[in-house]
Amino acid sequence: LAKTTQPISMDSYEGQEVNITCSHNNIATNDYITWYQQFPSQGPRFIIQGYKTKVTNEVASLFIPADRKSSTLSLPRVSLSDTAVYYCLVGDVNSGYSTLTFGKGTMLLVSP
Amino acid sequence: DSGVTQTPKHLITATGQRVTLRCSPRSGDLSVYWYQQSLDQGLQFLIHYYNGEERAKGNILERFSAQQFPDLHSELNLSSLELGDSALYFCASSTSLIGGGTDTQYFGPGTRLTVL
Repeated sequence: LAKTTQPISMDSYEGQEVNITCSHNNIATNDYITWYQQFPSQGPRFIIQGYKTKVTNEVASLFIPADRKSSTLSLPRVSLSDTAVYYCLVGDVNSGYSTLTFGKGTMLLVSP
Repeated sequence: DSGVTQTPKHLITATGQRVTLRCSPRSGDLSVYWYQQSLDQGLQFLIHYYNGEERAKGNILERFSAQQFPDLHSELNLSSLELGDSALYFCASSTSLIGGGTDTQYFGPGTRLTVL
C-alpha cells in the first residue's frame, strides 16, 4: 500500500484558498488518489478522487503532477464550516475500498 | 445525511461484556465496511462484506466478528471488551464490490463505544 504524508495541521482565514499537499512517493500504476473530509464525531465524507492531471467538482479541485508522487487538494474561499480533518488516501479503488488506508489526516482550522 | 444509519449512537458498557453494533447501508448498496477510530490509531479498516459474504479483513481482533444479513444490514459483535476497545465505530457502504469508477463510499454517523 502506498504510504502518504500530509501536514498534521494547517490554519487559514475565511475567504482564502487553502491548498493541502499530500506526498505519495511509492504510488502504484493502478492507484487512485482520494480525499475525504471528517468533522468531529462524524463519519468521513468523500470530497474528490483523481488519477492524473486535474479534477474539479463543486467542492474542491485536485491537482496531480505528471509523476503522481504528490497531489494537492485545493479548497477555494474557505469558510468556518470547512474546519475539519482532511484525509489523503492512495490505493487501487478497483480492488475495493478495503485497500485504502486512512492516515492521521490534516486538521484544517479556519478562523474569522 | 449519507443515508447510512447506525445504532446505537452511544454505548457504555463494562470490561468483559459483549455488545452488538448495527448498520443499515444506503438503499441499493451491497457493500458494507466497518472501521474503528480511536484517538491514537486514527481510522482503521476492520472488515468488508459484500452481499452477505465476507470479502476482506483488516485489523480486526479475534474477539470481534461481523456479519451481513439477507436484507443487507450488518452487525459488528465485540466481545470480552477491554478498555482499549473504546472508540468510534463507523460503518460505510458503497454500491459495488469494488470501488472503481464513480462508486463512492458513504459513512454512517458512527457508534461511540465507551468501555469502563
